[in-house]
Amino acid sequence: NAGVTQTPKFQVLKTGQSMTLQCAQDMNHNSMYWYRQDPGMGLRLIYYSASEGTTDKGEVPNGYNVSRLNKREFSLRLESAAPSQTSVYFCATQEAKNIQYFGAGTRLSVL
Amino acid sequence: AQSVTQPDIHITVSEGASLELRCNYSYGATPYLFWYVQSPGQGLQLLLKYFSGDTLVQGIKGFEAEFKRSQSSFNLRKPSVHWSDAAEYFCAVVWGFKTIFGAGTRLFVKA
Repeated sequence: NAGVTQTPKFQVLKTGQSMTLQCAQDMNHNSMYWYRQDPGMGLRLIYYSASEGTTDKGEVPNGYNVSRLNKREFSLRLESAAPSQTSVYFCATQEAKNIQYFGAGTRLSVL
Repeated sequence: AQSVTQPDIHITVSEGASLELRCNYSYGATPYLFWYVQSPGQGLQLLLKYFSGDTLVQGIKGFEAEFKRSQSSFNLRKPSVHWSDAAEYFCAVVWGFKTIFGAGTRLFVKA
């Protein structure tokens, strides 16, 4: 049982390039989340999707877009990457009891 | 606004010593509270949770936490720390569809 799978695990971009971070879950959870983790700042919510077909902004949505392709998949897109977007990105799902399950993360560097 | 404060950025304890990690929250109603642990290079994993009832909750790996409404606290404890407990620990509170995380406390264990 894979749980929450994120791809890629590592990525280096140049300023201005675009990329999509992929997240897929096999846990049949309705809610999915994208966070970024920066030293000393914990996890900050970028976007979330409470159910298939809906997405909402979190705390730090600027510079990002998301797509909830179906119940399993929730992607995060950087249209024009900036050095400030260098971070570790985590996808998570949430079950009915509000427990979150995390992927292993994507480490992104923007030069 | 809802918030979670972890006053200690990092803590160092000797193997076999007791541990207490502090967490304070700001929330207007009865909170759902969590502690997650993150090992290096990994996503977060649930340690324990509090929804209601007994204010002392037990989690995995020998951890426990106590909810104190009067102090708005949910401190994590372990009687005897093992070297494998070295990790980063996050306190979190659920607010609607969102989970608000503290900035984390990094635990170092010395031999």
